[in-house]
Amino acid sequence: DAGVIQSPRHEVTEMGQEVTLRCKPISGHDYLFWYRQTMMRGLELLIYFNNNVPIDDSGMPEDRFSAKMPNASFSTLKIQPSEPRDSAVYFCASTVSLSGNTIYFGEGSWLTVV
Amino acid sequence: AQSVAQPEDQVNVAEGNPLTVKCTYSVSGNPYLFWYVQYPNRGLQFLLKYITGDNLVKGSYGFEAEFNKSQTSFHLKKPSALVSDSALYFCAVRLYTGGFKTIFGAGTRLFVKA
Repeated sequence: DAGVIQSPRHEVTEMGQEVTLRCKPISGHDYLFWYRQTMMRGLELLIYFNNNVPIDDSGMPEDRFSAKMPNASFSTLKIQPSEPRDSAVYFCASTVSLSGNTIYFGEGSWLTVV
Repeated sequence: AQSVAQPEDQVNVAEGNPLTVKCTYSVSGNPYLFWYVQYPNRGLQFLLKYITGDNLVKGSYGFEAEFNKSQTSFHLKKPSALVSDSALYFCAVRLYTGGFKTIFGAGTRLFVKA
């Protein structure tokens, strides 16, 4: 299995621009998570989906952030408009609910907003 | 509030010596507990988990963890540290909020000196 696939791996964008991060979970996994990692705040859960349905988005920092999962093999995290404080590593992860919830992470999308 | 805590930002140990990375938790019900490791510029990788059964759990790369219900702890251990064990270690707990989500501690950076 290819694992969780994220794109882009690195993105540098200007403040005010729209950023879209993409994720392909492991096939057969029914949970998908978006995490953000920063030095100051550590690893934060932004939102998670179960069977493509958003379950808990309480970690989404503000309305500039949105996430969708149109089907079982694809999810996006969008920031519009982006701000310098959004600079972070964004991880997508997936799991199977019956497995004891061992989470499998992608390699991350490294976002820099200048 | 349900949470997981890692009281040490950093742990330093000499190669060949035993290592311990501490974790405590606060959850309702029976906890599902995890340890993950993150190497530089990579996503998190699963090390081991406790769901039920034997309090001593063995995982990848020679790591083990001991679940202690009375102390609400789940410390990560290894009998003999390697320089290659140097990384960022995260303790995590599974919670239920309409679906199952996993939250992570702040992380502990392990330095193993040759």
